[in-house]
Amino acid sequence: AQSVTQLGSHVSVSEGALVLLRCNYSSSVPPYLFWYVQYPNQGLQLLLKYTSAATLVKGINGFEAEFKKSETSFHLTKPSAHMSDAAEYFCAVSGNRDDKIIFGKGTRLHILP
Amino acid sequence: KAGVTQTPRYLIKTRGQQVTLSCSPISGHRSVSWYQQTPGQGLQFLFEYFSETQRNKGNFPGRFSGRQFSNSRSEMNVSTLELGDSALYLCASSSGGTSGRSHEQYFGPGTRLTVT
Repeated sequence: AQSVTQLGSHVSVSEGALVLLRCNYSSSVPPYLFWYVQYPNQGLQLLLKYTSAATLVKGINGFEAEFKKSETSFHLTKPSAHMSDAAEYFCAVSGNRDDKIIFGKGTRLHILP
Repeated sequence: KAGVTQTPRYLIKTRGQQVTLSCSPISGHRSVSWYQQTPGQGLQFLFEYFSETQRNKGNFPGRFSGRQFSNSRSEMNVSTLELGDSALYLCASSSGGTSGRSHEQYFGPGTRLTVT
């Protein structure tokens, strides 16, 4: 079975500062990991995914995430926050034998001017 | 390619009524998943359909049901609506992969259901 924990339901960073959103997963099989973003009144958009190739994954809008098996983590980072990054971010996990994608509770990112 | 579309976008129903929501996946995608999103519970998986068959099911009561048609369009139905069913219902499509796996999913804008 798979599960995801996102640390911090709300994160605030200043514009131009580093963005770090934390995600830890649990999986009984090698996982597929995803980060999605949701803007107000919209569906979820895929930011990036890890599928057992490179451990450092680059996504859209300057975001990247690093898979660390020893820490069971898949944290999302962006070097310099922009006002347009304000949104809710979801980490998700899927296993090899189970097609369900399990989502974390989400982290709302606030960008301070 | 057109994205995932969901209709209607907004819906207001009263307790005890039933509702049907529709989802059209991206052309060529054979897997459709449904999620319920609420502020308290977050994103909860309802069910997934692949080639007209329910392949996975979440922990929701039998009042929640779905189906998929031969063109991959999907509907979900909620009968005997309760106040707690008020939520954003999201549909997501995926190709299903060569082995039938879903891999990444592409989401529609959702249907906002309000039960009064």
